[in-house]
Amino acid sequence: NAGVMQNPRHLVRRRGQEARLRCSPMKGHSHVYWYRQLPEEGLKFMVYLQKENIIDESGMPKERFSAEFPKEGPSILRIQQVVRGDSAAYFCASATSGRTGELFFGEGSRLTVL
Amino acid sequence: AQSVTQLDSQVPVFEEAPVELRCNYSSSVSVYLFWYVQYPNQGLQLLLKYLSGSTLVKGINGFEAEFNKSQTSFHLRKPSVHISDTAEYFCAVSPPSTGNQFYFGTGTSLTVIP
Repeated sequence: NAGVMQNPRHLVRRRGQEARLRCSPMKGHSHVYWYRQLPEEGLKFMVYLQKENIIDESGMPKERFSAEFPKEGPSILRIQQVVRGDSAAYFCASATSGRTGELFFGEGSRLTVL
Repeated sequence: AQSVTQLDSQVPVFEEAPVELRCNYSSSVSVYLFWYVQYPNQGLQLLLKYLSGSTLVKGINGFEAEFNKSQTSFHLRKPSVHISDTAEYFCAVSPPSTGNQFYFGTGTSLTVIP
């Protein structure tokens, strides 16, 4: 049973370009979460999605950031017009619909903005 | 809003010594509690979790944690650490009333000194 798959693992972009990060949850999981981790900082919640629905996006910056989890395919975190401050590790986690109380994390996507 | 406080950002400890990593949370209702570990350049892995029942929870790698409702704490302990325990440790809470939302602390960096 494959775990949470994130790609790319490393992404380099120049300022002003777009970054797309993909996350395939574990089989059977319908809940996806995105977190951002900056150097020397903790894990910051960004967005919580279920299939075709955004449940909580209170941690998402108001501009340039968007996320989706379509009926088919992976969840995508999209960052438009990247700036150097967007450089970070972005982690995806998934969970089942039941209250088992556990998140399963991917290995992360490390974005570097030049 | 829920909050999780990890008072110690860095904890150095000698090999084979005991260690305690502290976690306090703010909630007036019942919560699920978790400890995750993150090794360098990897995603987070679940160490242990408290959902209900016995307040002393045993996890992987010899770690355990004790839920103290009156002090709203969930401290992580290990009686004798190894070099391989050097990692970042995150405490998290998930209040059932918020659906499947998870809130993380800022992390504690444990360094085991030979």
